Amino acid sequence: QITLKESGPSLVKPTQTLTLTCTFSGFSLTTNGVAVAWIRQPPGKALEWLALIYWDDDKRYSPSLKSRLTIIKDTSKNQVVLTMTDMDPVDTATYYCAHENVEMPTIGAFDIWGRGTRVNVSS
Amino acid sequence: SSVLTQAPSVSVAPGETATITCGGKNIERKSVHWYQQKAGQAPMLVIYHDSDRPSGIPERFSGSNSGNTATLTISRVEAGDEADYYCQVWGGTSEHYVFGTGTKVTVL
Repeated sequence: QITLKESGPSLVKPTQTLTLTCTFSGFSLTTNGVAVAWIRQPPGKALEWLALIYWDDDKRYSPSLKSRLTIIKDTSKNQVVLTMTDMDPVDTATYYCAHENVEMPTIGAFDIWGRGTRVNVSS
Repeated sequence: SSVLTQAPSVSVAPGETATITCGGKNIERKSVHWYQQKAGQAPMLVIYHDSDRPSGIPERFSGSNSGNTATLTISRVEAGDEADYYCQVWGGTSEHYVFGTGTKVTVL
């Protein structure tokens, strides 16, 4: 059974750097085809894809946020970490991590999601 | 990058059919996925690759994709189908992931 769980601060100040951790089980990020993504959702608004990391350490970033994002994996801990610099109140959102497998029929889709973690940006 | 446009809301009576559209330029050339998000919950994949259902998703959920519009159809709507629905595309390994604007389905 695949599970993912997001963790991180619930409150950050403007200009600070946000660090979020996705801890997963039921799969390995060393397995061909596996990827983990970060997606966010501001209150009352739509989903927004942020970043994704593949099993081979290839990475993808949202073009609009690329300069502020870094995604890394720690396969020994079964974790994926997202950092976002220069936080602003508009970055207030629920942040989700999700699983993808590009070698499965669900390629390009996020088949399993974590419950999300709410981050507020305020001074 | 792609822009995926969805109607903000759709209302449907129980037992009727809900049709949710996702508009994008030449969207038929891409694989469209659909997610259901109930209030306070994480999204859940209900349709992938235009029309395939993950295990456990009722046959009442179906999808299609043609021209500039992808469609999610929910037949015999139930109260439990009330949720926000998002379409999503992926353009390939060199491209990115884009979500639609979302449609709130209200069961009357």
